[in-house]
Amino acid sequence: GAGVSQTPSNKVTEKGKYVELRCDPISGHTALYWYRQSLGQGPEFLIYFQGTGAADDSGLPNDRFFAVRPEGSVSTLKIQRTERGDSAVYLCASSLNSNGYNEQFFGPGTRLTVL
Amino acid sequence: AQTVTQSQPEMSVQEAETVTLSCTYDTSENNYYLFWYKQPPSRQMILVIRQEAYKQQNATENRFSVNFQKAAKSFSLKISDSQLGDTAMYFCAFFDNDMRFGAGTRLTVKP
Repeated sequence: GAGVSQTPSNKVTEKGKYVELRCDPISGHTALYWYRQSLGQGPEFLIYFQGTGAADDSGLPNDRFFAVRPEGSVSTLKIQRTERGDSAVYLCASSLNSNGYNEQFFGPGTRLTVL
Repeated sequence: AQTVTQSQPEMSVQEAETVTLSCTYDTSENNYYLFWYKQPPSRQMILVIRQEAYKQQNATENRFSVNFQKAAKSFSLKISDSQLGDTAMYFCAFFDNDMRFGAGTRLTVKP
C-alpha cells in the first residue's frame, strides 16, 4: 500500500528525557533500517532488522539507543537520557529483504530536537 | 570499514545541460552494490540509480547514467538534459552488509 511512514514528523524534547520514534514499513518488507542524518551530512547507519531480529546494530552510537521490531513490521527507535548531540533527522527505510540490490524505500524522517 | 567520499559539496548546472557528480569509495570487498539517492527539500530519499559491482556494464535510467570504475573505486553520476526538478542533494551510497552514505552534493539546476 502506502510508503514508509514515520511518526512523529517532529519531536522537541528536553535534555535527559526519553523519546520513542516510530516507523511503519511498506507491507511485506522484511528488512527495516534506521539511519541518523545530522545537518549537512549523509545518513548514518544505525541498525537494521531482518524480520523481528536485529541483524546488525553496529551503528548504534551507545547504549542509550535501542530499537525493537517485535512483530516484524512496525519498529520503534528508543533513545534514553537524550543529549543535545542526539538532535538530527532519524530516517527509516524498508526493503523487500536484506539482499543489497533491493531498493530501500525511505520514510520522510523524524526531526528530533533536544533542547 | 567502508567509506564513501563525495568531493563536491555543491554544484550547479544550467537547465538542459549535463552535469557529473563524483563519488569514490573504499572497500576490500569484491561483491557489493552502489547507489545514488536524491534528497529534495522535502527530505524524502529517492533512489536514482543502482549498480552491482560484478556487472561491468554501466547502469542507465533515462537521463541518469553512471560511470563505474571498479579498479579505481569510482562511481560517478551523469545527469543529462538537466531539469529544474533535479535540484536536490545527491548522495552516493555503498552497500555490503549495510548502507554507507557519502556527505552529499548539493545540485542546483538554474533556469
